[in-house]
Amino acid sequence: AQSVAQPEDQVNVAEGNPLTVKCTYSVSGNPYLFWYVQYPNRGLQFLLKYITGDNLVKGSYGFEAEFNKSQTSFHLKKPSALVSDSALYFCAVRDPIKANNLFFGTGTRLTVIP
Amino acid sequence: DAMVIQNPRYQVTQFGKPVTLSCSQTLNHNVMYWYQQKSSQAPKLLFHYYDKDFNNEADTPDNFQSRRPNTSFCFLDIRSPGLGDAAMYLCATSRDLGAGEKLFFGSGTQLSVL
Repeated sequence: AQSVAQPEDQVNVAEGNPLTVKCTYSVSGNPYLFWYVQYPNRGLQFLLKYITGDNLVKGSYGFEAEFNKSQTSFHLKKPSALVSDSALYFCAVRDPIKANNLFFGTGTRLTVIP
Repeated sequence: DAMVIQNPRYQVTQFGKPVTLSCSQTLNHNVMYWYQQKSSQAPKLLFHYYDKDFNNEADTPDNFQSRRPNTSFCFLDIRSPGLGDAAMYLCATSRDLGAGEKLFFGSGTQLSVL
């Protein structure tokens, strides 16, 4: 069965510092991995995805994520955090066999402190 | 220029009183999804439509139904809401079914059951 774990409910980081939001996954086949962001009173927005190829994936707003197969992780990163990055971040995985269902983690609330 | 629109933003209903949540899209996507998200939990897929084909998740209660009268609109009907159905309901679309497809979300409808 597919699952995603986001071990941190809350991450605080100072503006200008690098940020990392952690995600680990479990899937039977090759994983299709996604990050979505949710700003207050807005729907989830797609940030980036890993399908195949380079383990480092670049996405919107300067975010990137690194796929690590041996550690079954897909951590979200940004070199320099902005206050406007404060939001709720969701990691998600899709099993390529049962492609209709995107399994989400419980989310990590990122707060960037000015 | 919202692409996936959910109405209303907040919905209050009474225990056992049927309620309908609405979703429309301007993307002309083939697939529309309904997710349930309870507080501090991951969004959970209830069902999806691929064009007119309805696909129910195995663990979605019979109390939840859906209609898709045309490409643009999709409705979530809760026949007899219980207190446990209070949640955020998220509508999403994707261009097609496929493991690499990204989802476009509406802002959600927060349902309260009194």
